[in-house]
Amino acid sequence: AQSVTQLGSHVSVSEGALVLLRCNYSSSVPPYLFWYVQYPNQGLQLLLKYTTGATLVKGINGFEAEFKKSETSFHLTKPSAHMSDAAEYFCAVSDKDTGNQFYFGTGTSLTVIP
Amino acid sequence: NAGVTQTPKFRILKIGQSMTLQCTQDMNHNYMYWYRQDPGMGLKLIYYSVGAGITDKGEVPNGYNVSRSTTEDFPLRLELAAPSQTSVYFCASSRQEYNSPLHFGNGTRLTVT
Repeated sequence: AQSVTQLGSHVSVSEGALVLLRCNYSSSVPPYLFWYVQYPNQGLQLLLKYTTGATLVKGINGFEAEFKKSETSFHLTKPSAHMSDAAEYFCAVSDKDTGNQFYFGTGTSLTVIP
Repeated sequence: NAGVTQTPKFRILKIGQSMTLQCTQDMNHNYMYWYRQDPGMGLKLIYYSVGAGITDKGEVPNGYNVSRSTTEDFPLRLELAAPSQTSVYFCASSRQEYNSPLHFGNGTRLTVT
C-alpha cells in the first residue's frame, strides 16, 4: 500500500534561511509525487510534481524537490525563505496501481521568523 | 476561469440534521474527489468518482453519500450529522491521466454541535 511520511509537523526558519521539508514515501511501483501548499482558509495549490524524467523538479515560488529512488524521498527545498512562504505543506503520492487515488502526508506547518 | 467551486463556505449543523455540500468544476475533468481535513491528520479520502454515474468509496466513507449525475457536479451528502463529522471538507478534480495533479476548491468548514 502507498503511504507518505512527512517528518516534522512544524518547521521554523528565519527569513532568508534555507527551507527543507522532508517527505518519504512507500510505493511498490514507480510513484508520481506531488507537493501542495495550503494558505490559511484556502484549498491546496500545486507547488510541483514529479512523474518521470529529470529527478530535480522546479516549482512555483522558487521551490524545488528532488526525487531520490534509493532513499524513497522527495524533499522540498527553497534556498531563501520569504515571509510569504508561511503556510502548510503537503506531500502526496499516487501511482498506476492506486487508480488515481492520492495519498497525503499529515502536513508540515512552516513558520518564517523575521 | 472558476476551477472547482464549493458551497457553502461555512455551516453549523445540529446533531442528526442532514445537509449537502455542493461541488462543481468547469474544467471538464473526469475524476472528482471528496476529502476531509482534520488537524494533524492530513487529508483523508471520503469518496471519489471516475466519471458520471460512477462512484467509489475512499478511506473514510461512513456517514456520507455521493452521486455523480453530470461531469461537472459531485455533491456530498451527510444524512445524520455527528460531532465526528466536524471537519473541513475539500472537493477536488483531476484529468484522467495518472500523473495529473488535483485541483482543489476552497473548502467547506462544517461544525456539528
